[in-house]
Amino acid sequence: EAQVTQNPRYLITVTGKKLTVTCSQNMNHEYMSWYRQDPGLGLRQIYYSMNVEVTDKGDVPEGYKVSRKEKRNFPLILESPSPNQTSLYFCASSIGTGSDEQFFGPGTRLTVL
Amino acid sequence: LAKTTQPISMDSYEGQEVNITCSHNNIATNDYITWYQQFPSQGPRFIIQGYKTKVTNEVASLFIPADRKSSTLSLPRVSLSDTAVYYCLVGLLGTGANNLFFGTGTRLTVIP
Repeated sequence: EAQVTQNPRYLITVTGKKLTVTCSQNMNHEYMSWYRQDPGLGLRQIYYSMNVEVTDKGDVPEGYKVSRKEKRNFPLILESPSPNQTSLYFCASSIGTGSDEQFFGPGTRLTVL
Repeated sequence: LAKTTQPISMDSYEGQEVNITCSHNNIATNDYITWYQQFPSQGPRFIIQGYKTKVTNEVASLFIPADRKSSTLSLPRVSLSDTAVYYCLVGLLGTGANNLFFGTGTRLTVIP
């Protein structure tokens, strides 16, 4: 089944404790992206990647890192999480670019205490 | 980066046709218009995409006037299960437009 998977689905952590949210797609898509969703602010793009070793900032990249060492994986790294990073995070992929149909993962709900 | 403006919310009764309009005054010549649907606690799902005039699929229709500065998503005979947030995006297809703006979308509530 073609899908985008994220892990973990739920995470509660404390300020400053490094964490990684994994994202994997099995559709051989070139484009992958991370979004965060907050009440009243909608869906905002954090980082995106056009292909292996090619990443770029979205609208809200501060406090996040990403890497794209393999085509299928695009982990989101929070080196020193803070409470303002408490949010619902979505990973997405598409065949070529962000304007192509994007397939979204199920989401990761992160709480930083 | 082309941004869009949509109504914050809309209500509709079951069985009615719903039209959601999106404004994108600074759309570029090569930009396409894409709509997504999002249910609570789920990721957005692609609905429809178009460049000009009218596009129709099994779920919705998309109307784009000649100047392309706006677009209208039309949902025929909505049901309770159509209650969701709908997002309008503009961007290049195939190249570029990789930094996308989803915004806050339009929250559609279907009433029995």
